[in-house]
Amino acid sequence: ETGVTQTPRHLVMGMTNKKSLKCEQHLGHNAMYWYKQSAKKPLELMFVYSLEERVENNSVPSRFSPECPNSSHLFLHLHTLQPEDSALYLCASSGRSFRETSTDTQYFGPGTRLTVL
Amino acid sequence: AQKVTQAQTEISVVEKEDVTLDCVYETRDTTYYLFWYKQPPSGELVFLIRRNSFDEQNEISGRYSWNFQKSTSSFNFTITASQVVDSAVYFCVGEETSGSRLTFGEGTQLTVNP
Repeated sequence: ETGVTQTPRHLVMGMTNKKSLKCEQHLGHNAMYWYKQSAKKPLELMFVYSLEERVENNSVPSRFSPECPNSSHLFLHLHTLQPEDSALYLCASSGRSFRETSTDTQYFGPGTRLTVL
Repeated sequence: AQKVTQAQTEISVVEKEDVTLDCVYETRDTTYYLFWYKQPPSGELVFLIRRNSFDEQNEISGRYSWNFQKSTSSFNFTITASQVVDSAVYFCVGEETSGSRLTFGEGTQLTVNP
């Protein structure tokens, strides 16, 4: 596989369920990101990991819990979600380390379309 | 604060027409990066181009071309001889080199009809 992959592509869950979204990048990057894209709203950055360290958490509710076990994998653990959490969740990766000042292009996965009943 | 404005919410054209998507980026930084991404119905954001603020050369890639004018903070995207497969939401995105966050425009839904 190449690029950034995400599984599952579609997920339907009840408010009491616990599920996890998985992202894997095959680009040799060292930074990974979770975004939320709701209908009619701009993309929202949720979490940023650089060299497996969480460097940004944008006031995301605790029912979303990220995990980055290594530079190629990123998870988003979900529990007791609300219907308003239904959205497309996009993962991205880039080659930038946050210890550097230069920027780098983010490459996105296909997303997981989440529906919370 | 940065701001990306895509004034066109939706554009509909007939196949083979040329179409230009507008983007204006506002920032106090003198150094920044601009991107265009395409999001087809499948959902994946596909990277199209990255341009830094010091490079005002127009760029052409096949049927795609980009016109960056720093004086007006515009970074417009033109598709020549549009095709049905070009139908997607196109996002203009800005990034300050001093920060880590991308600023997305609200996107332009392009529909190319046969």
